Amino acid sequence: GQSLEQPSEVTAVEGAIVQINCTYQTSGFYGLSWYQQHDGGAPTFLSYNALDGLEETGRFSSFLSRSDSYGYLLLQELQMKDSASYFCAVSPKEGAGSYQLTFGKGTKLSVIP
Amino acid sequence: DAMVIQNPRYQVTQFGKPVTLSCSQTLNHNVMYWYQQKSSQAPKLLFHYYDKDFNNEADTPDNFQSRRPNTSFCFLDIRSPGLGDAAMYLCATSRASGGTTDTQYFGPGTRLTVL
Repeated sequence: GQSLEQPSEVTAVEGAIVQINCTYQTSGFYGLSWYQQHDGGAPTFLSYNALDGLEETGRFSSFLSRSDSYGYLLLQELQMKDSASYFCAVSPKEGAGSYQLTFGKGTKLSVIP
Repeated sequence: DAMVIQNPRYQVTQFGKPVTLSCSQTLNHNVMYWYQQKSSQAPKLLFHYYDKDFNNEADTPDNFQSRRPNTSFCFLDIRSPGLGDAAMYLCATSRASGGTTDTQYFGPGTRLTVL
C-alpha cells in the first residue's frame, strides 16, 4: 500500500515563500502529484513530478527525490488567494488500480497579511 | 469548455431516504471516480469505473452504489443515508493512459446534508 505524510497546517505571510513537505512510503509509483483545494471547492491539479528534481510552474514549484522518498511544493510570492489545502498524491505502479490516486491528509495553508 | 459537472451542488435528504447524486463529463475520459470528503480530511475513494468495469474499494459500505450508463454520466446512489454520510461527494475523471500518473479532473462536488 501507500502512505503519505504532510504537515496538517502551515501559516505564512503574504509575499513570502512557503514549502510544504510530503514524505511517502510506497512500493513503487510513477510520480508525485500536488492538488490545491479551496474551502468548499474541488481539488485542482497543480503539479506533477515523474522524475527527480524541480518542476516550475509560475509561482509554484514542486520537487521530488525518490531516493529520499520525499517531495515538496514551493509557493513563492504568496498571495491571500493561495490560502487553501494542498494535497500530495501518488498512484501505484503495479496492479489493476495503477491509475488511482492515494492522497495525503492535506496541509492547510493560511496566508496572513 | 470541457468539464466535469455535478448536480445538484447541495442536497438535503432525510435519514434513511434514498438519494442519487449525478456527474457528467465532456472530457471523454474513460475513468470516472467517486470520492467522499469530510471536513478537513482528504478525499476518500469510494469506487471508480474503468470504462464499464466497476471497481469497489474494499471499505466502501454496501449502502453506496454506482451506475455508469454511458461514458459521459455516472451516478452515486446512497440507499439509506445515515448521519455519518453527510459529506462532500466529489466526482472526478481521468484518461488512463498507462505508464504514468494521469491528472484527475474534479467536479465542484455535491454537499450532502442528512437530517
